[in-house]
Amino acid sequence: AQSVTQPDIHITVSEGASLELRCNYSYGATPYLFWYVQSPGQGLQLLLKYFSGDTLVQGIKGFEAEFKRSQSSFNLRKPSVHWSDAAEYFCAVGVASYDKVIFGPGTSLSVIP
Amino acid sequence: ETGVTQSPTHLIKTRGQQVTLRCSSQSGHNTVSWYQQALGQGPQFIFQYYREEENGRGNFPPRFSGLQFPNYSSELNVNALELDDSALYLCASSLVSGGATYEQYFGPGTRLTVT
Repeated sequence: AQSVTQPDIHITVSEGASLELRCNYSYGATPYLFWYVQSPGQGLQLLLKYFSGDTLVQGIKGFEAEFKRSQSSFNLRKPSVHWSDAAEYFCAVGVASYDKVIFGPGTSLSVIP
Repeated sequence: ETGVTQSPTHLIKTRGQQVTLRCSSQSGHNTVSWYQQALGQGPQFIFQYYREEENGRGNFPPRFSGLQFPNYSSELNVNALELDDSALYLCASSLVSGGATYEQYFGPGTRLTVT
């Protein structure tokens, strides 16, 4: 069965520090992979997506993610975190098509000024 | 361009009651998916509607049902509410065209509390 794991429930970083959020997936075929961000009281916003091509994907707000098939991972990175990046981050895998999506449990990011 | 909208924002119901949640798709989109997000968890796929028919369903019982209308708006109906149905319900719309599916956009959600 398809699944997504995010090993870190909560991460705290200082403003200006680098960030890496981990994501591992289980899926038999070539996956569609996504990272979403959710601020309190808000819906989900797509940060970036991967479904083929270059394994390093650039997204919005300065985020990037790297697809590593051998490790079944799709980790999210940002070189310098801003206070406004504090939110819940969800990794997700697309099943069968682009828009039936299985989400991970999320990682909550706190940013210290 | 109008984004995905959902109504109501918040709702409180009693166990055993029925509830209807509504979603208006983003302009130009023809597919709607519904997700349930319990507190502290990731969203879980309930079902998807395309061309007014159910086009895939997650692991949810039949008391969760839906409709899609000709204008591509959608409803999620839940019968015989249980306490565990308390969650944020998210609607997402996308465009399917020429066999390809494009990015889905999420609404702000409806917070349902069952007491």
